[in-house]
Amino acid sequence: AQTVTQSQPEMSVQEAETVTLSCTYDTSESDYYLFWYKQPPSRQMILVIRQEAYKQQNATENRFSVNFQKAAKSFSLKISDSQLGDAAMYFCALEYGNKLVFGAGTILRVKS
Amino acid sequence: DTGVSQDPRHKITKRGQNVTFRCDPISEHNRLYWYRQTLGQGPEFLTYFQNEAQLEKSRLLSDRFSAERPKGSFSTLEIQRTEQGDSAMYLCASSFGLVDEQYFGPGTRLTVT
Repeated sequence: AQTVTQSQPEMSVQEAETVTLSCTYDTSESDYYLFWYKQPPSRQMILVIRQEAYKQQNATENRFSVNFQKAAKSFSLKISDSQLGDAAMYFCALEYGNKLVFGAGTILRVKS
Repeated sequence: DTGVSQDPRHKITKRGQNVTFRCDPISEHNRLYWYRQTLGQGPEFLTYFQNEAQLEKSRLLSDRFSAERPKGSFSTLEIQRTEQGDSAMYLCASSFGLVDEQYFGPGTRLTVT
């Protein structure tokens, strides 16, 4: 079975600081995709960043970057220079069989 | 491109009633997905369509649930004889191709009283 685990129910970060959200997953596939989605309060989910498992280079999107450790099945998200608008629920997701398997999410709070 | 839209945004119904939700995907997207999200949890896959064909259904989708996508455009999700356990946010997403990003709609929040 494909599973995604986010062990941090809630994280806090000071504005302008850096925070890392953890995610581990389990899959028997060798080629797959991993995603981080952001769900602001009462707003729709949007994609933050994606990583193809066959690529060794970690994906980066502006202030967002990942640390992808394929052997350890770890996929963490680093947010640099945190902004108030980053406050949201963050979901790690594994693409499997034409669908996404999500973790339980991490609430990120940003303090001004 | 107005994104994925869902209607209604909120639905309150009494146990035993039938409800139907609608999803309009991004126009050029051929894949459409339904997920269910309960409070404090990540979305769980329910079913997906490629064009008008329903290709996969989760075990979560009991016989009381049915989804359609006539003509490969909008989709409807119907829940018959609703139960309190059906209370959740129902999310629709669409994508173009196999591993393209899934674009999510705002969801329909269902409350069964």
